[in-house]
Amino acid sequence: DQQVKQNSPSLSVQEGRISILNCDYTNSMFDYFLWYKKYPAEGPTFLISISSIKDKNEDGRFTVFLNKSAKHLSLHIVPSQPGDSAVYFCAVNYGQNFVFGPGTRLSVLP
Amino acid sequence: GAVVSQHPSWVICKSGTSVKIECRSLDFQATTMFWYRQFPKQSLMLMATSNEGSKATYEQGVEKDKFLINHASLTLSTLTVTSAHPEDSSFYICSAENTGGRSYEQYFGPGTRLTVT
Repeated sequence: DQQVKQNSPSLSVQEGRISILNCDYTNSMFDYFLWYKKYPAEGPTFLISISSIKDKNEDGRFTVFLNKSAKHLSLHIVPSQPGDSAVYFCAVNYGQNFVFGPGTRLSVLP
Repeated sequence: GAVVSQHPSWVICKSGTSVKIECRSLDFQATTMFWYRQFPKQSLMLMATSNEGSKATYEQGVEKDKFLINHASLTLSTLTVTSAHPEDSSFYICSAENTGGRSYEQYFGPGTRLTVT
């Protein structure tokens, strides 16, 4: 049973618009969440994170929102750029556990 | 779904000894595997990219003579921490890219907790 879910395997967005990537988790004890970006044939690179004591963290064009009651987090990219086209992984860190979601492929169309 | 296993899941070793960690793709072939190191509440740090049949590519700052990587087959990559020291204690995670799948299919192992005493 997946502890971290990304129910959209793919997403297409027009350049300049907002991209919203979603992630759901099952364990309310998870307390630290991360987003990674991955290009083909490369390892994932860290993008942004959020602790459970916050509900929002912003870094440039990237904002992560956390809704603990819904056990849901989302990554907003605005404005989207063609270089943002990649696979995005949601991950949670809980104690010694570190679990990744299956990823969402984002395509930003020029 | 695709599964990546790591063995052992945890290991305790004495300072100065070497430890080998295995990463296996169980139901797919992986030309490329990645090794990461992770500290609590911090992001994963990519250590190296492991390519089947060739030398691994190490990230800047990662000692290749200390962290030996061997990718001898399409389903197995190993990371050997040589002459381990307490500061090597960490959580090591591997991931494998599905050669036969779409380019973004990457699967992560459950991790190996290494404690060096």
